[in-house]
Amino acid sequence: GDSVTQMEGPVTLSEEAFLTINCTYTATGYPSLFWYVQYPGEGLQLLLKATKADDKGSNKGFEATYRKETTSFHLEKGSVQVSDSAVYFCALSVTTDSWGKLQFGAGTQVVVTP
Amino acid sequence: DSGVTQTPKHLITATGQRVTLRCSPRSGDLSVYWYQQSLDQGLQFLIQYYNGEERAKGNILERFSAQQFPDLHSELNLSSLELGDSALYFCASSRGDRGTTDTQYFGPGTRLTVL
Repeated sequence: GDSVTQMEGPVTLSEEAFLTINCTYTATGYPSLFWYVQYPGEGLQLLLKATKADDKGSNKGFEATYRKETTSFHLEKGSVQVSDSAVYFCALSVTTDSWGKLQFGAGTQVVVTP
Repeated sequence: DSGVTQTPKHLITATGQRVTLRCSPRSGDLSVYWYQQSLDQGLQFLIQYYNGEERAKGNILERFSAQQFPDLHSELNLSSLELGDSALYFCASSRGDRGTTDTQYFGPGTRLTVL
């Protein structure tokens, strides 16, 4: 079935450093891809999405490009802030189900220090 | 604020008990999804409703059931609770478009602790 693999954390960075979180997927069809963020003690917030190959999603300085040839959707930010400390989840909409349920990766914790 | 509301925020109960979690979707959304987040299993899809009808089932135990009411709010019922049911339960809503491009918006979650 469809699955998502993302890099294990925690990822610890200094403020203003460059962030990359790797995400690769396996799907039988053509999924949409999502990044959600979970701040401490809160629910999941949609960060960005891409619905077809070569689409780039972007929001709040974060970017991710849907790469069909490498089945990847890596998340990047050029200069992180302490407020970016959170758990980041990569997800895909399951292609064997036309009603859009999501398959999530395990999550990557990011810790940004001043 | 996603527009999805969940109550209660926290729930503490004992093994063997039954609880009901409630979710109100964003205005205009017809589809409601339930997910369970636990340390060992991560985020797991449980069940989906669209306009009152069940559409998809995931890793939902037989002790768990859900429904979506005419006003589109949804309830997740967990019975004969076990210690392992302790988790964060999220509700998400979407417009319910067919296909894979629909976006789900998540509520703040209900943290269930079973003692």
